[in-house]
Amino acid sequence: GAVVSQHPSRVICKSGTSVKIECRSLDFQATTMFWYRQFPKKSLMLMATSNEGSKATYEQGVEKDKFLINHASLTLSTLTVTSAHPEDSSFYICSARELQGLRGYTFGSGTRLTVV
Amino acid sequence: DAKTTQPPSMDCAEGRAANLPCNHSTISGNEYVYWYRQIHSQGPQYIIHGLKNNETNEMASLIITEDRKSSTLILPHATLRDTAVYYCIVSRGPNTGNQFYFGTGTSLTVIP
Repeated sequence: GAVVSQHPSRVICKSGTSVKIECRSLDFQATTMFWYRQFPKKSLMLMATSNEGSKATYEQGVEKDKFLINHASLTLSTLTVTSAHPEDSSFYICSARELQGLRGYTFGSGTRLTVV
Repeated sequence: DAKTTQPPSMDCAEGRAANLPCNHSTISGNEYVYWYRQIHSQGPQYIIHGLKNNETNEMASLIITEDRKSSTLILPHATLRDTAVYYCIVSRGPNTGNQFYFGTGTSLTVIP
């Protein structure tokens, strides 16, 4: 079945630095990928829709300059958290849509970001 | 915004059927019902989806009411590994590129 890989699975960074998270579709092409954020004991919150070859669409309240998304190929989308602060610490999850898929979106295993 | 309502938590005895309800009273005619589950600190896992007919696969069964305003996910023989948060999502489906918005889900605990 469709597999989505996220890297890294865990990252710790210092306040003020930037962190890049990769989301790859391993055995299928994905024109659309989605990025979510999840705080402890909370549900997934959609941050943005990433479209290959075009600008990402951000949900209301999500700062596009803070969370940079690049979807440069049909198998890779990246999320860069710029000038990270402790409140950006969260679980970040991506999902992708297989072009001919009928089962819904496939989700990555998530990235645990801790900003110290 | 999420368009589903689920009970926040449920318990189920190991080996028994787990029946997880979901209300989606504002579902549109072209929207599917999807079920995903999330085991702690992992990404959500697809379980099953349906439009209006009941569906069954190797993981679960999905019962959708005739008016499509609610559905029930059935895990026929719950095991300890089924302990997870279960999310019911309505969406026009991935072929449309539509977003999935997650509600609060149901935290299922399978008890030995």
